[in-house]
Amino acid sequence: GNSVTQMEGPVTLSEEAFLTINCTYTATGYPSLFWYVQYPGEGLQLLLKATKADDKGSNKGFEATYRKETTSFHLEKGSVQVSDSAVYFCALSSPRRGGTSYGKLTFGQGTILTVHP
Amino acid sequence: DGGITQSPKYLFRKEGQNVTLSCEQNLNHDAMYWYRQDPGQGLRLIYYSQIVNDFQKGDIAEGYSVSREKKESFPLTVTSAQKNPTAFYLCATKSEGRRNQPQHFGDGTRLSIL
Repeated sequence: GNSVTQMEGPVTLSEEAFLTINCTYTATGYPSLFWYVQYPGEGLQLLLKATKADDKGSNKGFEATYRKETTSFHLEKGSVQVSDSAVYFCALSSPRRGGTSYGKLTFGQGTILTVHP
Repeated sequence: DGGITQSPKYLFRKEGQNVTLSCEQNLNHDAMYWYRQDPGQGLRLIYYSQIVNDFQKGDIAEGYSVSREKKESFPLTVTSAQKNPTAFYLCATKSEGRRNQPQHFGDGTRLSIL
């Protein structure tokens, strides 16, 4: 079955530091890959996505590249801010249309990021 | 997400009681999902529905029930058979019209045991 493994947290950084959160996956075929962010007490917001190999998703200074050869989708940001403190989830979507698992998301366990001033 | 409304925000359940969590959407999305989130864990799928009057069990459906009588609504009932219901419950929707569309999430309902 599909699975997503995220870098264990929590991750604590100073403002303007470089961020990497590792994400690797196991899936058949070519899944779509997503990063979601969850702020305290809220639901998940889509941060970025990539739908095929070598695609780079980007949003709000965050980037992630779909690497099929290493089955990875690592999240990066060059300079984090205090407002980036949140929980980050990597997820994949089953690619097979018509199957019972179509459209379902498989999530990693989440990585807590805390950014200090 | 402004198009998905979950209510109530906080809910308390007594022992042996069934409670129903509401999820309403005005995004005209066909698919709707219910997830459970426990502290320090990822989201686990409870039930999902791809069209009206049809739904499928997810990975942890035991102790839960759903209905999908209208496209806009996908209520989740946490029954007394669910022995550990304390968690954060998230509803999500997705458009089925185009491939690779992301799921959109509501703001969640936090359920606790009295």
